[in-house]
Amino acid sequence: DVKVTQSSRYLVKRTGEKVFLECVQDMDHENMFWYRQDPGLGLRLIYFSYDVKMKEKGDIPEGYSVSREKKERFSLILESASTNQTSMYLCASRPGAEGTDTQYFGPGTRLTVL
Amino acid sequence: QKEVEQDPGPLSVPEGAIVSLNCTYSNSAFQYFMWYRQYSRKGPELLMYTYSSGNKEDGRFTAQVDKSSKYISLFIRDSQPSDSATYLCAMRLQGAQKLVFGQGTRLTINP
Repeated sequence: DVKVTQSSRYLVKRTGEKVFLECVQDMDHENMFWYRQDPGLGLRLIYFSYDVKMKEKGDIPEGYSVSREKKERFSLILESASTNQTSMYLCASRPGAEGTDTQYFGPGTRLTVL
Repeated sequence: QKEVEQDPGPLSVPEGAIVSLNCTYSNSAFQYFMWYRQYSRKGPELLMYTYSSGNKEDGRFTAQVDKSSKYISLFIRDSQPSDSATYLCAMRLQGAQKLVFGQGTRLTINP
């Protein structure tokens, strides 16, 4: 079974803190994604990576950065957390082959910024 | 206007009913269409995946794509309480990595 794990299920941080969200997948997938999920807005793509050290902006990259130093690990960084970044953060991975469209999601990290 | 529109519900039906969930979209270039199911406090899991137009059936679930109307549907037959979840439609362009999601429909099946 494919497994995507996220470092924390629940996280509470203060405004201005630097926050790291970690995601690890065990299926040697080329592609990894970070989304946020908010009521009424669905899932919105923040960043994705199609290879080690490669990244592309999604729809809402402002206020976020990412790091992919190893194929299995994709980190989302909030340089200076703000209250409008309170959300559910979901990581996903996907094989590289065209047409194999299954994105496997982790359980999510619910982040609250006070 | 959002690229993908999905009625957020909530939708509540009795056990055994046929459920119809729908999404409309504006970009006629979308080629891949998916339905994900998300249980409370879990990540989404892929339920159905369709390329281009047509129907696809998997057990009690049927996915339909009507590209001429830019409309996709998910039907659940003989619905069960275990089907209670949020259902998300998603789609993408040929060759693209990015999925575009609907807002999700929250479904409750009452015993």
